[in-house]
Amino acid sequence: QVTLRESGPALVKPTQTLTLTCTFSGFSLSTSGMCVSWIRQPPGKALEWLARIDWDDDKYYSTFLKTRLTISKDTSKNQVVLTMINMDPVDTATYFCARDARSGDSGMDVWGQGTTVTVSS
Amino acid sequence: QSVLTQPPSASGTPGQRVTISCSGSSSNIGRNYVYWYQQLPGTAPKLLIYSNNQRPSGVPDRFSGSKSGTSASLAISGLRSEDEADYYCAAWDDSLRGSWVFGGGTKLTVL
Repeated sequence: QVTLRESGPALVKPTQTLTLTCTFSGFSLSTSGMCVSWIRQPPGKALEWLARIDWDDDKYYSTFLKTRLTISKDTSKNQVVLTMINMDPVDTATYFCARDARSGDSGMDVWGQGTTVTVSS
Repeated sequence: QSVLTQPPSASGTPGQRVTISCSGSSSNIGRNYVYWYQQLPGTAPKLLIYSNNQRPSGVPDRFSGSKSGTSASLAISGLRSEDEADYYCAAWDDSLRGSWVFGGGTKLTVL
């Protein structure tokens, strides 16, 4: 059974750096074709993809946010970490991580429950 | 502003068939697979359709997907009250280095 769980601070101040961790089980990021993506959803708004890290450590970022994002993985711990610098109130959102299976073209097929982040002073 | 374009709302009565459209471009839907997600209130999105028209295990065959050119559609037949949710389309976009892009979402109301 594939599961993912996001963790991180619920509240950050403007200009601070946000660090989120995605801890997963049921698959390995060392398996060819496996990836993990981060997606966010501001309250009442649409989904927005942020970043992806692949099994071979290839990384992809949102064009609009790439200067603020860094994604990394710890294969031994089954974790993917996303950092976002210079947080702003508009970054208030629920942040999801999802398994992104390029093998089989099943896409972002399993999602975590999400973690809510509020940016406020 | 989302890269993929969906109608903001759709509605139908129980038993009806409804369709939700998703319009993109040659860099995303035109050359890559389309995915559909269902998001019930207060929950994470759930994969409904992958690779244009494939259903993951457990998704009822009332849900079907299709793609033509740079557009795609999600059809729901035999509409049920529990289908009331937000629906999002997604596709990989080959612009620049590549990224996932989503539609703005369609709120489906079962009348």
